Amino acid sequence: GNSVTQMEGPVTLSEEAFLTINCTYTATGYPSLFWYVQYPGEGLQLLLKATKADDKGSNKGFEATYRKETTSFHLEKGSVQVSDSAVYFCALYNAGNNRKLIWGLGTSLAVNP
Amino acid sequence: KAGVTQTPRYLIKTRGQQVTLSCSPISGHRSVSWYQQTPGQGLQFLFEYFSETQRNKGNFPGRFSGRQFSNSRSEMNVSTLELGDSALYLCASSPSGGGTGNTIYFGEGSWLTVV
Repeated sequence: GNSVTQMEGPVTLSEEAFLTINCTYTATGYPSLFWYVQYPGEGLQLLLKATKADDKGSNKGFEATYRKETTSFHLEKGSVQVSDSAVYFCALYNAGNNRKLIWGLGTSLAVNP
Repeated sequence: KAGVTQTPRYLIKTRGQQVTLSCSPISGHRSVSWYQQTPGQGLQFLFEYFSETQRNKGNFPGRFSGRQFSNSRSEMNVSTLELGDSALYLCASSPSGGGTGNTIYFGEGSWLTVV
C-alpha cells in the first residue's frame, strides 16, 4: 500500500544552518507529494507541493524535488531562521487511494539563535 | 476570506462521557476531513465528508462518528470517551477533497483532554 516515511526528530539547528528533512514514500502509480508545516499552537498549512516526477516545489526559501527514481521528496532550506521552528509533515496523495492523504509522522525542527 | 473555524478550542471531559466538536469550513468548500493528532501516532485520518455524505473513513472504532450539514459545516462525535482519546482533533476543508492541485486547509484544532 501507500506509505510515507520521514526522518525522526527532533532536529535542532543553529540559525543560518542548512536544513534537510528526509522523506521517502511507497506508492503505486504517480502520487502527488506535499510538505505541510505546523507552527506551535496552530493547525497545519501547506508549505509546498509537487505533482509529477522531477517537479520542484518551493516556498519561503524551502525546496523539495520529486524524485521518482529514489522515491523521495526531501525538504531543504539553505539558511534556517528561528521562525522556521515548527513540525514538518510529508504527505502523499494517490488518486487510486480513495482520495486520502497519507501522512508521515512529522519531524520537529527547533532553530536556536 | 475566513479560514477553517473549529470550536471549542479546548475542552476537558471525563471517561465515559461523550463530546461533540464543530468545524466550519472555508466558504465554498464542500469537503471536510477530520484528523486525530497525538505525539505517539502522528496524524491519523478519521473521516471525510463531501456534500453531506461520508466519502472516506479511517481505522477508528464506531465510537467516532461525524456528519456534515447542508451548509458544509461538520461535527464529529466521540462517545464513551477513553483516556487514549486525548488528542488534538483537526478539521480540514477543501473545494473537493485533498489531491492534485487541491490544497487542504486546516483549522487550529480542538484540544481534547480526557481525565
